[in-house]
Amino acid sequence: DAGITQSPRHKVTETGTPVTLRCHQTENHRYMYWYRQDPGHGLRLIHYSYGVKDTDKGEVSDGYSVSRSKTEDFLLTLESATSSQTSVYFCAISPGQGTGQPLYNEQFFGPGTRLTVL
Amino acid sequence: GEDVEQSLFLSVREGDSSVINCTYTDSSSTYLYWYKQEPGAGLQLLTYIFSNMDMKQDQRLTVLLNKKDKHLSLRIADTQTGDSAIYFCAEITGGNNRKLIWGLGTSLAVNP
Repeated sequence: DAGITQSPRHKVTETGTPVTLRCHQTENHRYMYWYRQDPGHGLRLIHYSYGVKDTDKGEVSDGYSVSRSKTEDFLLTLESATSSQTSVYFCAISPGQGTGQPLYNEQFFGPGTRLTVL
Repeated sequence: GEDVEQSLFLSVREGDSSVINCTYTDSSSTYLYWYKQEPGAGLQLLTYIFSNMDMKQDQRLTVLLNKKDKHLSLRIADTQTGDSAIYFCAEITGGNNRKLIWGLGTSLAVNP
């Protein structure tokens, strides 16, 4: 299994509080992604990173920020959590994005973080 | 824009074949993938196919690609209860700004 961990695995918080989720990899992959998964919406990309300090927005980035100060860590911050951000959050990593051979673009997923905002 | 569509649910009996379908809109897509998500876990790559191929077989899995109709299918032979999961279709789009586009996932239930 690819070495990806997410912490915490479960969190319950209150509306208006800041929350930070951490993704840690030991594979030295260039690309890291944060997704949220909700029933009926599949996987939606929040933000992704293509290198240290290089990040870009996904399709549902409002209310979220990210930082990547080291290759191995990608942090997702909910600046002021809302109930609509209750979800399961997945981190993924990949060596490439859209170039090279198919397996170069394979995304490896972490186990997920279940976040509940009350 | 690019889109990938899948039916949301499929129910089969153990031992039967399952066929999960996917349609996509980007005619310049390069690769198409099938990922599997077991309950409580992240996604894992199951198989992939180049956009210039018609078929790929890998043990119990057969992937068929109809590029003209932009239709992709995943057939699982002799479906087992352990195959119960959500199956996601995804494509790498073509052009200069390549990205991975996900379908919503098909939930496969295998009944004994």
